[in-house]
Amino acid sequence: GAVVSQHPSWVICKSGTSVKIECRSLDFQATTMFWYRQFPKQSLMLMATSNEGSKATYEQGVEKDKFLINHASLTLSTLTVTSAHPEDSSFYICSASTMRGGRTQYFGPGTRLTVL
Amino acid sequence: GENVEQHPSTLSVQEGDSAVIKCTYSDSASNYFPWYKQELGKGPQLIIDIRSNVGEKKDQRIAVTLNKTAKHFSLHITETQPEDSAVYFCAASINTGNQFYFGTGTSLTVIP
Repeated sequence: GAVVSQHPSWVICKSGTSVKIECRSLDFQATTMFWYRQFPKQSLMLMATSNEGSKATYEQGVEKDKFLINHASLTLSTLTVTSAHPEDSSFYICSASTMRGGRTQYFGPGTRLTVL
Repeated sequence: GENVEQHPSTLSVQEGDSAVIKCTYSDSASNYFPWYKQELGKGPQLIIDIRSNVGEKKDQRIAVTLNKTAKHFSLHITETQPEDSAVYFCAASINTGNQFYFGTGTSLTVIP
């Protein structure tokens, strides 16, 4: 149980285009979903927290107009990187939190974004 | 806010030996401490967690200990195997809140 999927697993796009990443909790309802960014050999950097049906809360320094988050249901959250640039290239990981067991976070497999 | 420190950053052990990774936290209100294993190119996987009402938890070759007074917790892997090679992250959170505070990670290499 507690499986989180992400799609796509990798994407290559041209500079200036937008990319959408989906995060789904497959066998549980997620009260909250999180989006992280990870640079090579570094820890996870929290970008934003989203609750179903409400606006996402962004961490300091994260541009909300560039990284659009939509949490449409208890099993789906999307991250859209708008007008992507090479510096947006990174590994993006989502996680989903459930009250089962007390707010444990379960992570998706990640999405490798490369902007040319 | 909470600050989690993790040591060592890299660790190499011979197959069959034990590995220990330590984390300290600053906020005494933190009461949930998960450990994640991340293999190259994949998302972190929860391997074990502990809550502040217990001092130790074990799951086969993996154990976690918590010292609330000293504000530190440790991951112990016994009889290490090459497939244990990965990056391990500790985290701390307040159960009633949302945010997890992650350590900086430990790259574990098990030498066959």
